Amino acid sequence: GAVVSQHPSWVICKSGTSVKIECRSLDFQATTMFWYRQFPKQSLMLMATSNEGSKATYEQGVEKDKFLINHASLTLSTLTVTSAHPEDSSFYICSARPPQLGEQYFGPGTRLTVT
Amino acid sequence: QKEVEQDPGPLSVPEGAIVSLNCTYSNSAFQYFMWYRQYSRKGPELLMYTYSSGNKEDGRFTAQVDKSSKYISLFIRDSQPSDSATYLCAMSVTGNQFYFGTGTSLTVIP
Repeated sequence: GAVVSQHPSWVICKSGTSVKIECRSLDFQATTMFWYRQFPKQSLMLMATSNEGSKATYEQGVEKDKFLINHASLTLSTLTVTSAHPEDSSFYICSARPPQLGEQYFGPGTRLTVT
Repeated sequence: QKEVEQDPGPLSVPEGAIVSLNCTYSNSAFQYFMWYRQYSRKGPELLMYTYSSGNKEDGRFTAQVDKSSKYISLFIRDSQPSDSATYLCAMSVTGNQFYFGTGTSLTVIP
């Protein structure tokens, strides 16, 4: 099956700093990647859809200046949480969709704690 | 009305039982249907993927899609404690936008 990795798996940062999370598709090229946020015992909340070489499409209510997404290559997308605050603490999960297929594969997630 | 409805449970069954998980949906244009398993503090893992209608079987897992009723199911046979997780259904029209159920929490008791 298709494999998606995320790095780091967990990170603790101080309020006001920025954090970058990497998402890589290891054995396929992904023209489309997705970024989700998940709170405890809740379902996935789509933050944005990124397409290689173009700007990400953000969901309503997601601040694009705060959550910077870069999909610079067919195997790598990054999410940067800028000027992080404690309310940004959450579980962030990326996924990637192989071209010409209808399903998406998820990374293992990144747990962000902002102190 | 939500695009996808899923009973959140929790569902608790004895080991060896047959588990039935279900989702209903409202958009008749959905044609890609997925079931994911998510363990606590992990990313969802794709279990089953079905295109259009019909059944698909993989080991102890069977996925069914009934497009006329807008209803999908996941059956787990001979359930094991390791099956204890949250199960998410997901669906899509084109593969560019996905709609998820809220997830059903399953516990298999040894």
